[in-house]
Amino acid sequence: NAGVTQTPKFRVLKTGQSMTLLCAQDMNHEYMYWYRQDPGMGLRLIHYSVGEGTTAKGEVPDGYNVSRLKKQNFLLGLESAAPSQTSVYFCASSSESSGGPYEQYFGPGTRLTVT
Amino acid sequence: ELKVEQNPLFLSMQEGKNYTIYCNYSTTSDRLYWYRQDPGKSLESLFVLLSNGAVKQEGRLMASLDTKARLSTLHITAAVHDLSATYFCAVVPDNTGNQFYFGTGTSLTVIP
Repeated sequence: NAGVTQTPKFRVLKTGQSMTLLCAQDMNHEYMYWYRQDPGMGLRLIHYSVGEGTTAKGEVPDGYNVSRLKKQNFLLGLESAAPSQTSVYFCASSSESSGGPYEQYFGPGTRLTVT
Repeated sequence: ELKVEQNPLFLSMQEGKNYTIYCNYSTTSDRLYWYRQDPGKSLESLFVLLSNGAVKQEGRLMASLDTKARLSTLHITAAVHDLSATYFCAVVPDNTGNQFYFGTGTSLTVIP
């Protein structure tokens, strides 16, 4: 089992460029999440999904879009990158327990720099 | 505004000592999660607490949840150097379904 994988691991963008981050999980989890982590801070939820074909906004969704066309994949898009989106991005997945998310498994992260 | 507050933010402790990290949250929730993050690495799930009074232990770490007080604790017993890391708590509020809100983390350094 690979668990949760993220592609790419590093990326440098110029302001205004677009890109897509790919997250894949092989644990058959229903829930998937995209977070960003800025220095000295905890994680902030960008978007999440509770199943194939569904997505929802998290705490900081502006400037990002997501899609979950297949259960195992969750894509995060930046249509027009801004320096404020420089961050480390983590994807996570979890199974369900008692009507909500259970243990989250995290990917290794993507370090994005926007110049 | 929902808040998840951890204290202390920084903790330096000697090997063999005991200490507790506190996680307070400002919303109703019976789902509380603890994670560990090593420098430059991803997060690792430590505990999932899903009800009032839940207590879980793994090695030198024990986590508990008091939903009435909106408080979770992470107790460290007889600390060892390998426990040096940043510890995060996160809560899923009752009215948001599945949104996680993280604390800012507690950076723990265990010194010989």
